This record gives sequence, structure tokens and C-alpha cells, in this order.
Amino acid sequence: AQSVTQLDSHVSVSEGTPVLLRCNYSSSYSPSLFWYVQHPNKGLQLLLKYTSAATLVKGINGFEAEFKKSETSFHLTKPSAHMSDAAEYFCVVSDLREKLTFGTGTRLTIIP
Amino acid sequence: EPEVTQTPSHQVTQMGQEVILRCVPISNHLYFYWYRQILGQKVEFLVSFYNNEISEKSEIFDDQFSVERPDGSNFTLKIRSTKLEDSAMYFCASTDGKSGTGFWGNTGELFFGEGSRLTVL
Repeated sequence: AQSVTQLDSHVSVSEGTPVLLRCNYSSSYSPSLFWYVQHPNKGLQLLLKYTSAATLVKGINGFEAEFKKSETSFHLTKPSAHMSDAAEYFCVVSDLREKLTFGTGTRLTIIP
Repeated sequence: EPEVTQTPSHQVTQMGQEVILRCVPISNHLYFYWYRQILGQKVEFLVSFYNNEISEKSEIFDDQFSVERPDGSNFTLKIRSTKLEDSAMYFCASTDGKSGTGFWGNTGELFFGEGSRLTVL
């Protein structure tokens, strides 16, 4: 069985400051891990993915995530938040059959 | 840029009525999925579909649900007799299955539509 835990349901940061969205995973296999973003009234967009290559993964819009097997973590970071980053972020784990298991989501609010 | 499209964007129905949600996956994709998100809850897997048959389904996907690919382009989700608890956002997704390392050759890089919001009264 696989699961993800997003440790924060809501994160608020000021524009221009760093963003950290935390995710821990559990998987019986070497997992594939993803971060998806959902802007209001929009679909789910892939931000980045980890599939057993480099442990530091770079995604779109300046986001990156580091896979740490020893900590079973895959935290999402961005050095400087922008107003357009305000959205819901989902950490996702995939099993060998590509069934995605989503976390509960973290709502990111950017303070002007 | 190719995208997954879903219709309708919002449907309101009475309990007990049949609903069909439609999806047009990206044209060269081979694997298709339905997920749903009940308001305030996590996104949940419903069903995956490959080679004109269901490859996996969740416990949620009971006999009231069915999927089909009637014409080679559309991918539909039918709920035969809707219940109040079926109210949710339903997301269709697809992938080409060529770029990954998973069992089915996928990475799980699914392309999602914008969703169909179903409200059951």
C-alpha cells in the first residue's frame, strides 16, 4: 500500500519569501513521486516528478523538490514566492500500475 | 498544446438520475483514468482503462459506475443512479505510456482535464 501525508493544510508566505510545502510518503516499492498544482477552477497541472533519477528535481515556475529516502520525504520548495503561486498543491505517489495516490493538499496563500 | 477536455463543466441532477460525463483525451494517449474529488477531500482514483477494458478500479467504482470509449476519441463515465454522495469534481486524465519506468511503462505523468463538477440534489 502507498500513501502520502501533507503536513500542512494551509501555508501563508509573503511575496518574495521562500516557500516550503512538506510531504512524507509511504510505499512498498521504489516510488514515483509528483507534485501537482490546482489553481482555482482549473485542472491539475504537473509541477515536477521524481522517478529514481536525480534526487533533486526541478519543475516549472521555479519550483523544486528533493527526494530523501532516509526521511521518506519529498518537500516542495521555491526560493521566492510570487502572487501567481497561490493555489492548492498536491503531493502524489504512484505505484507500479500508475494508480496515483494523492495527499490531502496544501493551500498556499501569498501575502502581498 | 494538446489538452484533455471535459464536458460538462458543471452538471446538476436529481438523485436517482443517470449522468454521463464526457472526456476527450489527448489524441495519441493510450491510458485513461477517472479521478474524483469530493469537496474538501483528497483526489481519489476511480478507474483506469487501457485497450478498451478496465485495467484497475477502486472500491468506489461499484456497479453504479461504468466507463467506455465509444468512438475512439471520447472516454465517458456513466453513473447509473446518482446518490447525494456522488456530488464531487470528476477529473479525467490520460497518458501515452511511452515515457516511463512503471509496470505499464508510465511515470504517472497524467494529463488532467479541468474537471466536471457534479451536484446531486
